[in-house]
Amino acid sequence: NAGVTQTPKFRILKIGQSMTLQCTQDMNHNYMYWYRQDPGMGLKLIYYSVGAGITDKGEVPNGYNVSRSTTEDFPLRLELAAPSQTSVYFCASTLNSNQPQHFGDGTRLSIL
Amino acid sequence: AQKVTQAQTEISVVEKEDVTLDCVYETRDTTYYLFWYKQPPSGELVFLIRRNSFDEQNEISGRYSWNFQKSTSSFNFTITASQVVDSAVYFCARGTGRRALTFGSGTRLQVQP
Repeated sequence: NAGVTQTPKFRILKIGQSMTLQCTQDMNHNYMYWYRQDPGMGLKLIYYSVGAGITDKGEVPNGYNVSRSTTEDFPLRLELAAPSQTSVYFCASTLNSNQPQHFGDGTRLSIL
Repeated sequence: AQKVTQAQTEISVVEKEDVTLDCVYETRDTTYYLFWYKQPPSGELVFLIRRNSFDEQNEISGRYSWNFQKSTSSFNFTITASQVVDSAVYFCARGTGRRALTFGSGTRLQVQP
């Protein structure tokens, strides 16, 4: 049982490049989330999904896009990378919103 | 936005001391859930405890204990006889409905040997 798997673990991008952060879970969880954690700060919600085909914006969605075509996968897309997007990105999932969220190990992204 | 406040940015204690991490939350909801997570230096987020708004019983788990008081909107976390391995950033979070958790900014705990 792998839980929540994020790839890649580290990435350096140049300004203006695009990339997709992958997140997959094998627990058949309906709810999935993307957070970012800036240095010395808590986690801020970027996007979330309550099931396949349903996504919604969180607190800081600008510059990002998501899709949820399957229950297992919830990729996060950066279209035009900017230095302000340098952060650690965490994907999480849960069976329902009242239960603890299971987090991936994070993706450390630097935009230079 | 309904905030979660962890006023203590950083705490340093010596091993075997007791330490309490404070968490104060805002909410307009009747039903909500409170969580504590630990983030060790390796970076992953580890779930510690979940509490719902209808259960104000304090909880003890080994060296960890939690004090939930709705009257003061607080959900404090105490580590008894701290150990070096407790060194981490601890996050308090609140959840309601289908939205994601709202996290506090975290308290960095350093336990010196």
